[in-house]
Amino acid sequence: AQSVTQLGSHVSVSEGALVLLRCNYSSSVPPYLFWYVQYPNQGLQLLLKYTSAATLVKGINGFEAEFKKSETSFHLTKPSAHMSDAAEYFCAVRPGGSQGNLIFGKGTKLSVKP
Amino acid sequence: NAGVMQNPRHLVRRRGQEARLRCSPVKGHSHVYWYRQLPEEGLKFMVYLQKENIIDESGMPKERFSAEFPKEGPSILRIQQVVRGDSAAYFCASSSKQGEAFFGQGTRLTVV
Repeated sequence: AQSVTQLGSHVSVSEGALVLLRCNYSSSVPPYLFWYVQYPNQGLQLLLKYTSAATLVKGINGFEAEFKKSETSFHLTKPSAHMSDAAEYFCAVRPGGSQGNLIFGKGTKLSVKP
Repeated sequence: NAGVMQNPRHLVRRRGQEARLRCSPVKGHSHVYWYRQLPEEGLKFMVYLQKENIIDESGMPKERFSAEFPKEGPSILRIQQVVRGDSAAYFCASSSKQGEAFFGQGTRLTVV
């Protein structure tokens, strides 16, 4: 069974600092991996996705993630945090490849200090 | 640009009542997914539907929960005889056959 583990339920950074949100997956097949962001009382918005093309994936709002097969990781990074980045971030894997449901991690709440 | 529309946004039900949650997918999308989010938890998959068919309901509780996606109209998630443990945010997502999933803003169900 495929699964996703997000290390750290809460991460706090200063404005302008590097953002690093960790995600490890388990999958017996080449995975389709996603990062979503959720603002309070909102739905989920897709930040970026990996679908077995380039290992470094660039997303919206300056975020990017690198797929590392040897480490089974798909960590999310942003060079310089902005106050508006404060939200909850979810890593997800899609067992069915190009279609089907998503399996989510428990999420990481990002706080940005001024 | 109408995205996934869910209504109501907030729903309060007394124990034992029925809750009906509606989801209108993005125009042209024929795949709908329902997820449940509990506090401090990620989203848990419940059911995957295509028009008039249930494709995967492995995440649905065996009793009291049902879902449909008729040929015409929105997808409906129905919870009969609600209990306090059903209180959660319920999210719907839609996609084309191999496209990305777009999420609605959710329905927050409170059972009192």
